[in-house]
Amino acid sequence: GEDVEQSLFLSVREGDSSVINCTYTDSSSTYLYWYKQEPGAGLQLLTYIFSNMDMKQDQRLTVLLNKKDKHLSLRIADTQTGDSAIYFCAERAGATNKLIFGTGTLLAVQP
Amino acid sequence: DVKVTQSSRYLVKRTGEKVFLECVQDMDHENMFWYRQDPGLGLRLIYFSYDVKMKEKGDIPEGYSVSREKKERFSLILESASTNQTSMYLCASSIQGVGSNQPQHFGDGTRLSIL
Repeated sequence: GEDVEQSLFLSVREGDSSVINCTYTDSSSTYLYWYKQEPGAGLQLLTYIFSNMDMKQDQRLTVLLNKKDKHLSLRIADTQTGDSAIYFCAERAGATNKLIFGTGTLLAVQP
Repeated sequence: DVKVTQSSRYLVKRTGEKVFLECVQDMDHENMFWYRQDPGLGLRLIYFSYDVKMKEKGDIPEGYSVSREKKERFSLILESASTNQTSMYLCASSIQGVGSNQPQHFGDGTRLSIL
């Protein structure tokens, strides 16, 4: 079945770049998403990429997609303390309304 | 902006009680979803609905049921609450349209404790 994997924890210093990685198994994925969850809150959609793209940039966020290796990454430039949160990647596979979520990566930004 | 509202942020109930979690969305979305979130396990889909009165089981439906009597409202029901149902519950909605971009929009979550 479909599976999405992420590392559980990443620690960076303020001002550095953060790279959060995600791998997925379903080759029929059409859209892939990044969500951010701040403490005690729901998930906020950050950005998405369509499967026929290999890169998308949105201000400090850069999404890279390697479809051959089924690897997705989110780069946050100039990471700030306000970026500390859990980041989830999710894939939308083929003809379905469901999203498959990874386990989430906790990003800790040290001042 | 899409607004998904969950009726309670925090809820404390007793074992054996029947518990209702309510979710309302204001964007006329066809699809609605209930997840539970537990540390280290990510989000797990309990039930979803793609139309009024329609429901489908997700990955962990045991011990839960749902109700969708109106398009904007999707209720999650714990028939007889147990301590292993203590968790964060998240509701989401999305538009219909297979093949198109359909991000899910989430409420703020309900942290449910069963004592």
